[in-house]
Amino acid sequence: AQSVTQLDSHVSVSEGTPVLLRCNYSSSYSPSLFWYVQHPNKGLQLLLKYTSAATLVKGINGFEAEFKKSETSFHLTKPSAHMSDAAEYFCVVSEGNTDKLIFGTGTRLQVFP
Amino acid sequence: EPEVTQTPSHQVTQMGQEVILRCVPISNHLYFYWYRQILGQKVEFLVSFYNNEISEKSEIFDDQFSVERPDGSNFTLKIRSTKLEDSAMYFCASRGLGAVADTQYFGPGTRLTVL
Repeated sequence: AQSVTQLDSHVSVSEGTPVLLRCNYSSSYSPSLFWYVQHPNKGLQLLLKYTSAATLVKGINGFEAEFKKSETSFHLTKPSAHMSDAAEYFCVVSEGNTDKLIFGTGTRLQVFP
Repeated sequence: EPEVTQTPSHQVTQMGQEVILRCVPISNHLYFYWYRQILGQKVEFLVSFYNNEISEKSEIFDDQFSVERPDGSNFTLKIRSTKLEDSAMYFCASRGLGAVADTQYFGPGTRLTVL
């Protein structure tokens, strides 16, 4: 069965410093992996997705993630945090011929000035 | 940029009452979904819908739940007799006619409170 584990429920960084949000997945087949972001009172917005092409995936707002099959990880990074990055981030997996998305528990990112 | 919209943003109801949550998917999308998030818990898949039929549903989606596309623009989730444990944020999503792994676009959610 597929699942996703987000290793940190909260991450706090200073503006201008790097961001690392960690995600490990479990999947029987070749997974598709996504990162979604949710700002307060907004919908879930896709940041980036991996679907068996390049293992380093670039997304919006300077975020990127690297698919590492050997480590079953899909960590989200950004070189320099901005105040507007403060939000809830969800790592998501789907696999096979189903389009059902399986969500992680989310990581709340705080950015301090 | 087209987006998924949901109404109402917040619904308060009494236990045992019926509620209908409404969604307007992106206009040229053909696959529709409902997810929910109970406070403090994960976002969970409820149901997927294509070609006027349920494609897949979770064990949460029991006989109290139903979905409908009553016209060319709306997609609704009905809960016939609400329970306290139905209190959650309900998200609608849609995607276009592409690969299964194509992006699902989410609405802002409806917060359902059952008293």
